[in-house]
Amino acid sequence: AQSVTQLGSHVSVSEGALVLLRCNYSSSVPPYLFWYVQYPNQGLQLLLKYTTGATLVKGINGFEAEFKKSETSFHLTKPSAHMSDAAEYFCAVSALNTGFQKLVFGTGTRLLVSP
Amino acid sequence: ETGVTQSPTHLIKTRGQQVTLRCSSQSGHNTVSWYQQALGQGPQFIFQYYREEENGRGNFPPRFSGLQFPNYSSELNVNALELDDSALYLCASSSPNNEQFFGPGTRLTVL
Repeated sequence: AQSVTQLGSHVSVSEGALVLLRCNYSSSVPPYLFWYVQYPNQGLQLLLKYTTGATLVKGINGFEAEFKKSETSFHLTKPSAHMSDAAEYFCAVSALNTGFQKLVFGTGTRLLVSP
Repeated sequence: ETGVTQSPTHLIKTRGQQVTLRCSSQSGHNTVSWYQQALGQGPQFIFQYYREEENGRGNFPPRFSGLQFPNYSSELNVNALELDDSALYLCASSSPNNEQFFGPGTRLTVL
């Protein structure tokens, strides 16, 4: 079974400050890891994903995440927050051993950005 | 390229009724997955369809059922609606074992 834990239901930063959203996962097989963003009244947009290879993954809008197997973590960072980054962020894990791709999501972290 | 579309955007039903939600997959995608997102929660996997067959299911009762059509569009049907079925229902399309692209969702309210 797979699971995701996102620490902090809300994170507040000032515009221009570092953004750090935490994600820890549990998986009995090599995981595929994802970060999605959800703006109000919208669906999910993929920010970045890790499947294999380089453990530092760069995504859209200046976000990046690092896969750390020893810590079972996949934290999302952005050097400088922008007002438009305010949204809900979801970490997700999946595996292909079941023959189909099922995404297991965390409960989400709401990012608040103040001027 | 047309993205994933869902209809309707909002829906209000009463307890015990039945509902059908629709999803058009992105061009070139033959796999559709459905997720339920309750208020303040992350999405939960309902089931996945590949080439018109259900090929995976989450922990949802049989009153949640689906269809996929030859053009790879899909329907989610929920019978005997309960208050806890109130949620945002998300559809995602993909090529097999590839990135899932999500639609904007259908907001279902059960009174």
